[in-house]
Amino acid sequence: DTVLTQSPALAVSPGERVSISCRASEGVNSYMHWYQQKPGQQPKLLIYKASNLASGVPARFSGSGSGTDFTLTIDPVEADDTATYFCQQSWNDPTFGGGTKLELK
Amino acid sequence: QVQLQQSGAELAKPGSSVKISCKASGYTFTSYAMHWIKQTTGQALEWTGYIAPGSGGTKYNEKFKGKATLTVDKSSSTAYMQLSSLTPVDTAVYYCARALHGWSFDYWGQGVMVTVSS
Repeated sequence: DTVLTQSPALAVSPGERVSISCRASEGVNSYMHWYQQKPGQQPKLLIYKASNLASGVPARFSGSGSGTDFTLTIDPVEADDTATYFCQQSWNDPTFGGGTKLELK
Repeated sequence: QVQLQQSGAELAKPGSSVKISCKASGYTFTSYAMHWIKQTTGQALEWTGYIAPGSGGTKYNEKFKGKATLTVDKSSSTAYMQLSSLTPVDTAVYYCARALHGWSFDYWGQGVMVTVSS
């Protein structure tokens, strides 16, 4: 399985820029996707294929990377962005990162 | 609008089976693969497998072979996942999700909580 590693938690202030990283145990080309999940809700697609903004997602969200290292950036962060963010690869059978919990100061 | 409506929570005894459903609406059901994803209380997400509704073809995560069985009813645009020989380890929320754009999941059901307890 392709293992995806994310840092467990981040804390930022509203208005700041935050970057959430995801490292794959092997190259996944650009087949990396990002989701936002709030408590009690299903995950929501933010970014597909590394850098493409999903429909209806604010332009404050962006994605970058290829191969094994990927980043989700939120700029500027808003209070409503408090959530857990997951990366997911689909170059091989799909696997997910462990999630990064974003908290606002 | 696209919607995936899943069935209600299940409480099952160890050794039994459950069959959960996912009714799709707002798009052509047979045009998109339907995937199933497990989320445990600790939030870890695991891909279970997928079914191509048009052909009925399936692919499973090796870990879930023999555990999960995916089927569809094209007449009602509904996908099903049966979980068998349940143990407490199967306790989780199970989501159906539509696949798009290189197997990103653009629409998800609301999830079904399956609790396995004696």
